[in-house]
This record gives sequence, structure tokens and C-alpha cells, in this order.
Amino acid sequence: TQLLEQSPQFLSIQEGENLTVYCNSSSVFSSLQWYRQEPGEGPVLLVTVVTGGEVKKLKRLTFQFGDARKDSSLHITAAQPGDTGLYLCAPETSYGKLTFGQGTILTVHP
Amino acid sequence: EAQVTQNPRYLITVTGKKLTVTCSQNMNHEYMSWYRQDPGLGLRQIYYSMNVEVTDKGDVPEGYKVSRKEKRNFPLILESPSPNQTSLYFCASSLLGGEGGYTFGSGTRLTVV
Repeated sequence: TQLLEQSPQFLSIQEGENLTVYCNSSSVFSSLQWYRQEPGEGPVLLVTVVTGGEVKKLKRLTFQFGDARKDSSLHITAAQPGDTGLYLCAPETSYGKLTFGQGTILTVHP
Repeated sequence: EAQVTQNPRYLITVTGKKLTVTCSQNMNHEYMSWYRQDPGLGLRQIYYSMNVEVTDKGDVPEGYKVSRKEKRNFPLILESPSPNQTSLYFCASSLLGGEGGYTFGSGTRLTVV
């Protein structure tokens, strides 16, 4: 069983601050996805990363896949209250199957 | 609108009373899956299906059944629910081999008393 660790588990910051969330494993993955989940709703896909060293940007969000494809990070610049939610990393651990990390609960205060 | 529809959103039932949670997708996705989400444990896969009439166990299949008679539907069946199955359940679907990721339903909050 692959061990997947997300950190930090909780993050509480003020509007305008920057933050980084990490997703680490000892296993190599073919791809990895990041999701955001709001209370009472299902997770929503933010991005898929496939290539080692890949960097993708989505407005104020920057996603990076580690060179060895074992880890990933999500960086948010100038966080806003609308960024509040649960952020989940999900590597593809077998064909079609995603295994989810426990997530990072982000709270951005106005 | 492309979506995964789960019903019901909320369900309170008693131990041992069989129930079914329905899931339907309108995107012609091959892959469908059920997850349960519990505090401190994250999202864990219960069952999945790669196509019609093809289903397989996920990480926590005990106490659950599924069927995939049609491509769009993937119901979750609890033959004899127990209190430890109280949880938030999500159905998800995806295209196999694509980067489009999973599309999740809005969830079913189940309480077994």
C-alpha cells in the first residue's frame, strides 16, 4: 500500500497571504490530480499533472509535479476567502484508480 | 449539463434495513466508482467498474454491493446496513486514460441507527 502524506493538515491564513500545500509519497506515479472540495459538495478537479518536473498554473494557483513523480505541491498566491476549502491530492495508483490524500483544510480570513 | 447525479442526498435508516443509493452519469464515461469519506480517514474507494458488467472491489468493500447493468448507472447497495457504515458517500465517473479526472456527485450523507 502506497503511503501518501499531505501537509499541512490545517492552514488558517489572512487574505492576501501566500501558501503552499505538499503531497508526498515514496511511490512513483504516472499522474497526479488536485481537487478542491467545499462543504456539502463533491470534490472538483483543479488540475492533472503527468510529466516529472511539470508546472501548471491556474490563475493564482501553481501546481508542480516532482522530477521523480513521487511528490507534488500546490502554491496559492494572494489567497482570497473564496479559496477556502479542502484541497486533496490524488495520484493514479492503478489504471483508472485515484487514491486520495487526507487533504489540507484551508481557511482564508477576510 | 455534464454531471453525476446521486440520490438521495440524505438518508437516515435503521440497522439491517436494505437500502440502495443510486448514481447516474450523462457523460458516457466507462469508469465509475464509489467512495466513502470519513473524518481523519479521507476518501476511500468501496467498489469500481471499468465498464458494463465489470465491477471490482476497492479498498473497503465489506458490507457493500454494486451492479453495472447499464453504462450510465452504478447503484450502491447495502444489504444489511450497520452503524459503522454511517458516512458521506460519493459516486464518481471518468473517461479511462484521459486527463479529465473524476466528476463527482454531490454526495449522500447516510446515518444508520
